[in-house]
Formats: sequence, C-alpha cells, structure tokens
Amino acid sequence: DAKTTQPTSMDCAEGRAANLPCNHSTISGNEYVYWYRQIHSQGPQYIIHGLKNNETNEMASLIITEDRKSSTLILPHATLRDTAVYYCIASYGKLTFGQGTILTVHP
Amino acid sequence: GAVVSQHPSRVICKSGTSVKIECRSLDFQATTMFWYRQFPKQSLMLMATSNEGSKATYEQGVEKDKFLINHASLTLSTLTVTSAHPEDSSFYICSANSNEYGGANVLTFGAGSRLTVL
Repeated sequence: DAKTTQPTSMDCAEGRAANLPCNHSTISGNEYVYWYRQIHSQGPQYIIHGLKNNETNEMASLIITEDRKSSTLILPHATLRDTAVYYCIASYGKLTFGQGTILTVHP
Repeated sequence: GAVVSQHPSRVICKSGTSVKIECRSLDFQATTMFWYRQFPKQSLMLMATSNEGSKATYEQGVEKDKFLINHASLTLSTLTVTSAHPEDSSFYICSANSNEYGGANVLTFGAGSRLTVL
C-alpha cells in the first residue's frame, strides 16, 4: 500500500461541506484510493473509492488530482452523525489502515 | 447491499480459556475474509487473511497458533483466540469483499467483537 497522510483532526459546522484531504504521493498506477469511516465502537463503513476519475455516490464525492498524488473526500452537507474517524487508503490488494482524520461536526 | 455479521458482539472470558468469534457473509459468498484487531485509541491492524478451503495467511508478528482461523465454507470464517490473556483484550473485526465493484477490493466490515479477558 502507498503511504497516506491525513490531518489528525478537523472540525466542521453542521450543514456545511466537510472537505477531508489525503496525500498519497507514492501511489502506483494500479492502486485505488478508498475512503472508510469508523464511528466509535463500530466496524468501518465503506464510503467511496476511485482509481483515476472523480467519483460521487449518495454519501460523498471523491476528488482525485490529475497526478493522483492526493485526493479529497467531500461530505456535501455534514450532519452530527458524520462525526467519525475517516480513513484514506491507497491500495491494490489488502487494505492497511492509517491513523485517519477525526472529523467532529458541531451544531 | 452486502452485509457481514459477527458473533458475539461482546465476550468476557477468564484468562487461559479460548474464545471463538464467527464472521458470516449474509448475502454473498466470500472465498477470502480479512481479520483485523483494534486496540483502544489505535487504528485497525490486519491480522490475517482467511482463505476458504485452505490455510490462513498471517501478517508478520501475528501468532498463528494463538489466533486460529478456519474458513470452512464460502460464508463463514471463525477466529479462535486460544489461551486468551488480558493483553489479547481488543476489538476484533472481520471483513469480506462482495465483488460488487469489479477489480477494487471494497470490503464490507462486520460490527466487530469486543473481547475482554479477565
């Protein structure tokens, strides 16, 4: 897996967009970018993934830079229930979790 | 969507006893399942890859004789913590790929099993 770097923590106001960055400058051509989140004492939840193109689903959008060295997860309208640890993973096979970003959404 | 079920969700046992945790893929078949462990305030650590019909593959530093993995069917993998000790107390989480996303290894995770060894 390529090493990923994420901010330790971020805050976001409820109703605003949350933009979570991830650096994966050593990513190789066949490695996907995955985003998961983990709410306290639960198993991780899949959010979105991408290879080269930007992706959007019902939960979030994933913006991958053209050189693929970084990406941003966007939660368009954050709610209090989005408070969690967000993990960015760059991998082809097994998924290795880093420390992630603690996102706190406040009223 | 794909669902992975774990049982039990919580277990407390005495030191020296063995504990079995089950992981089931409810609506898909999984030839491979992954077992993770998570200590408090830490990230998930991959322990082993469970392979249906063959031996599990363990990550470096994980004792295969202590953490026995059996993947007897396409929907069930079990993790047995043998002769558990307090330092084995942790959150154990399994996952599997339902192959909904082609070549990407998108994993569905179970809710986890919290083991406390007294």
